[in-house]
Amino acid sequence: AQSVTQPDIHITVSEGASLELRCNYSYGATPYLFWYVQSPGQGLQLLLKYFSGDTLVQGIKGFEAEFKRSQSSFNLRKPSVHWSDAAEYFCAVGFLTGTASKLTFGTGTRLQVTL
Amino acid sequence: DTAVSQTPKYLVTQMGNDKSIKCEQNLGHDTMYWYKQDSKKFLKIMFSYNNKELIINETVPNRFSPKSPDKAHLNLHINSLELGDSAVYFCASRTRETQYFGPGTRLLVL
Repeated sequence: AQSVTQPDIHITVSEGASLELRCNYSYGATPYLFWYVQSPGQGLQLLLKYFSGDTLVQGIKGFEAEFKRSQSSFNLRKPSVHWSDAAEYFCAVGFLTGTASKLTFGTGTRLQVTL
Repeated sequence: DTAVSQTPKYLVTQMGNDKSIKCEQNLGHDTMYWYKQDSKKFLKIMFSYNNKELIINETVPNRFSPKSPDKAHLNLHINSLELGDSAVYFCASRTRETQYFGPGTRLLVL
């Protein structure tokens, strides 16, 4: 069974600083990988996804993520954080088997941004 | 236009009551889901329907009964609510590999 680990429960960065959120997965094949963001009291918004091809993927809001097969990682990065980026970030792994597809989520990383 | 919508947004009820949450998507997707997010923010799949047919049923108490009247709607009925059912319930719909989530329904059982 697949699993996702987000080692950092809580991260605090200053506005304007760079950000990297870690995600490691366990899966027998190359999975589909996702990052979602949940702002306080809000739903889940898709930031970016990786299926195949270029291992560096660009997403919305200036985020990017890099798939590293050798490290089973899919870390999320942003060069300069804005106060509005404060939220909970979830990494997820999915697979597609016929019509059945489900996501397995990590436990999330809460990002706090100081001014 | 909201892609995946849920009603109600908040639901406060007493233990033992029965309640329903509704979900609608206007994306034309065939597959829809219910996820539960607990108090520690952990998200776990509950059910999935494809074109009105149940295709994923995780280990969920049978007090939870999903229903899909058509492929654009997926409802969740919960009988005999318990304190532990307090959570945020998210609906999602899928195209190919990507799932799009609704805003969530925050359920509080007193």
